[in-house]
Amino acid sequence: DTEVTQTPKHLVMGMTNKKSLKCEQHMGHRAMYWYKQKAKKPPELMFVYSYEKLSINESVPSRFSPECPNSSLLNLHLHALQPEDSALYLCASSQEGRVSGELFFGEGSRLTVL
Amino acid sequence: RKEVEQDPGPFNVPEGATVAFNCTYSNSASQSFFWYRQDCRKEPKLLMSVYSSGNEDGRFTAQLNRASQYISLLIRDSKLSDSATYLCVVTRSGGSYIPTFGRGTSLIVHP
Repeated sequence: DTEVTQTPKHLVMGMTNKKSLKCEQHMGHRAMYWYKQKAKKPPELMFVYSYEKLSINESVPSRFSPECPNSSLLNLHLHALQPEDSALYLCASSQEGRVSGELFFGEGSRLTVL
Repeated sequence: RKEVEQDPGPFNVPEGATVAFNCTYSNSASQSFFWYRQDCRKEPKLLMSVYSSGNEDGRFTAQLNRASQYISLLIRDSKLSDSATYLCVVTRSGGSYIPTFGRGTSLIVHP
């Protein structure tokens, strides 16, 4: 069982909708990540939060808006998405400050944009 | 040149075979190295970390060559359940630890 919980597992939305993906971890990790993964491709980093502050934004379009309300929660707000944004969105966490940098992933939210 | 490169495969091997994957990285400041396994339509899961001295976990052996900037994964006595995509992950420090994934190598173990 994964210790990183993502909801919803599946989401279908239209291009004019506003929706949010949620991620929660209770391992005391201080770094949290959003990755996007298309079929047969590796995960692509979108955002990194470190100690609840956005530290990395990999030039992600503004229709994706991350939010870190507290050290356990990470949201990804979606607005005016395009069909090509359909993908598996993976949340991960790691124990910031440790050299190991091991990532713990949630099961992902599979997004379909119509 | 991509930051982390892997041969995508697929590697198609019979049960019991030994198979090796390589991964090269371009950033000499990279600090941590991992192999993750990803099953179809599932999230990646850590298989093993890779240490400078090399490390072994059962049938799996990982090695790091900093001078040549590559890491390797050796799987001995392949099982059907080893069929998956194996992702090389290299982490560099840029404020936060930034893990970068290779494109993954697909392994198919057949009876």
